[in-house]
Amino acid sequence: AQKITQTQPGMFVQEKEAVTLDCTYDTSDPSYGLFWYKQPSSGEMIFLIYQGSYDQQNATEGRYSLNFQKARKSANLVISASQLGDSAMYFCAMREGGNKIIFGKGTRLHILP
Amino acid sequence: DTGVSQDPRHKITKRGQNVTFRCDPISEHNRLYWYRQTLGQGPEFLTYFQNEAQLEKSRLLSDRFSAERPKGSFSTLEIQRTEQGDSAMYLCASSLPPGTLSREQYFGPGTRLTVT
Repeated sequence: AQKITQTQPGMFVQEKEAVTLDCTYDTSDPSYGLFWYKQPSSGEMIFLIYQGSYDQQNATEGRYSLNFQKARKSANLVISASQLGDSAMYFCAMREGGNKIIFGKGTRLHILP
Repeated sequence: DTGVSQDPRHKITKRGQNVTFRCDPISEHNRLYWYRQTLGQGPEFLTYFQNEAQLEKSRLLSDRFSAERPKGSFSTLEIQRTEQGDSAMYLCASSLPPGTLSREQYFGPGTRLTVT
């Protein structure tokens, strides 16, 4: 069974609009961390935001926020006021207990001018 | 510090040849990871080190693959007798140990391997 599910293979969004990228996860470990990474066409993986399973508040980093719904096992990324430079692949990922990270298949985001 | 570096950035090799990749982590990071990413997929975990000790290996890491981190600093990933299915981006990442304030893994730019 997939641990990380990203159901949107691709999305097209108008510049300056907000966008939500979906992510659901599966784990029985009470201690885990959730990440979002951005991968532009250059190939590097850029860390965006982190949410710990025990964190009470949703994580925010600038224009990025993580909508963490623990009971639904959902960790959606919200990008406010999208920019052309936001066009990239976005990966949701989870770390359980130990240290390796399991990635989803990604969502390709296209920002339209 | 300039972040995680990997060398080479691109490698083209013929099937059956051996290849070796190098990763230099962020200097204060004692954990180092290797991932493989094929086209259209997310990165898949291969192995990780804490200092010089290799603590976990994925089933993806066949016996043709070997990774080392002899002095707890840089790491090498060797693939022997390469196959066309080994063509992928090989990503290295490093992090501080759990319990520290920084929770994320910092990735290098990757080595793109093409096996012809």
